[in-house]
Amino acid sequence: SQQGEEDPQALSIQEGENATMNCSYKTSINNLQWYRQNSGRGLVHLILIRSNEREKHSGRLRVTLDTSKKSSSLLITASRAADTASYFCALPLNQGGSEKLVFGKGTKLTVNP
Amino acid sequence: DGGITQSPKYLFRKEGQNVTLSCEQNLNHDAMYWYRQDPGQGLRLIYYSQIVNDFQKGDIAEGYSVSREKKESFPLTVTSAQKNPTAFYLCASSTGTGWSNQPQHFGDGTRLSIL
Repeated sequence: SQQGEEDPQALSIQEGENATMNCSYKTSINNLQWYRQNSGRGLVHLILIRSNEREKHSGRLRVTLDTSKKSSSLLITASRAADTASYFCALPLNQGGSEKLVFGKGTKLTVNP
Repeated sequence: DGGITQSPKYLFRKEGQNVTLSCEQNLNHDAMYWYRQDPGQGLRLIYYSQIVNDFQKGDIAEGYSVSREKKESFPLTVTSAQKNPTAFYLCASSTGTGWSNQPQHFGDGTRLSIL
């Protein structure tokens, strides 16, 4: 079934380093979204990238999309302790005539001060 | 400020009891959703509603019920038929047009446990 698979499952880095997490998927999509979830909180939308876009930036975030490899990556540059959170990719899925968003299991990022 | 409010933050259910989780939004969004999140897992869709007085089952609707009588409100009832209700429940909303292509806005969740 269509579900983004994030890699790695967990990532621990030092403050100031860059963090890269990846999302792979199986079927064609017209867009892909990335979300952040702080512990015990709801998800926060970060970036939506469309299939005709290769790269998108938002502040210290850079998202790439490679539709030929069916993968996306989220790069956080110059990470801060406040970036500690789980990061999810979300893909649209058309199922039985209705559309929905399917979320992966996430990458848990820990940024050590 | 516009946003989504979920209440209560923590909820405990006794055996055989139905409990209702509240979700209110003031974003003027047409579409609203309920998700269940288990530890270390992604989100699973319970129910969604694209317009007032209409809603559809998601992937794990058994043991749950919803209503959408007002645009702003989408309460979720966890019935006694749901045998494993312990989880983190998230409500979200988005603009209704092409909703899988729109960002979703989330509340801060309700953590439900069994007594």
